[in-house]
Amino acid sequence: DVKVTQSSRYLVKRTGEKVFLECVQDMDHENMFWYRQDPGLGLRLIYFSYDVKMKEKGDIPEGYSVSREKKERFSLILESASTNQTSMYLCASSSSHETRGPDTQYFGPGTRLTVL
Amino acid sequence: RKEVEQDPGPFNVPEGATVAFNCTYSNSASQSFFWYRQDCRKEPKLLMSVYSSGNEDGRFTAQLNRASQYISLLIRDSKLSDSATYLCVVIRPADYKLSFGAGTTVTVRA
Repeated sequence: DVKVTQSSRYLVKRTGEKVFLECVQDMDHENMFWYRQDPGLGLRLIYFSYDVKMKEKGDIPEGYSVSREKKERFSLILESASTNQTSMYLCASSSSHETRGPDTQYFGPGTRLTVL
Repeated sequence: RKEVEQDPGPFNVPEGATVAFNCTYSNSASQSFFWYRQDCRKEPKLLMSVYSSGNEDGRFTAQLNRASQYISLLIRDSKLSDSATYLCVVIRPADYKLSFGAGTTVTVRA
């Protein structure tokens, strides 16, 4: 059974703190993604990775960085948390299809981050 | 204009009813689409893919109208368990990234 796990379901941090969100998948997927989900805005892509040590910016990368040292693990880092980064963070993974690109994305349960 | 737009709803329907809603996309070159379902406080999960003109899976039918650039989802014989937010997803042809709509909320009442 497909499984994507995230390190925390709920997290409360203070402004200026460094925050690490961890994501692990057990499906040997090449692609991993970090999204944030806010009411009325849907899911927005922050960063993604097509391979180990490879990362690319998504649509809203400002204020975030990522790390992918192992195929199964993709970390999202908030260098200095701010209140506007309060959100639901969702990690996803997928395999790649030769002609249509990334295949179905499987999501983790999400981390609800509150920055005070 | 947003890449993917959905009517947020909510659509409140009685059990057994049929409910349908649309999703419009801005890029006419888009070829691949998904419907995801997201239950309250849960992660999105794939409901169905829409690769050609449409797709049917049990009580769920997805249709694609390329001329008008929208996809629709129809749910027949609604069940209480169909209550969820349905996310429209479009694969961007330039980079294969997914663009998500904000979701349409459906509530099925007894």
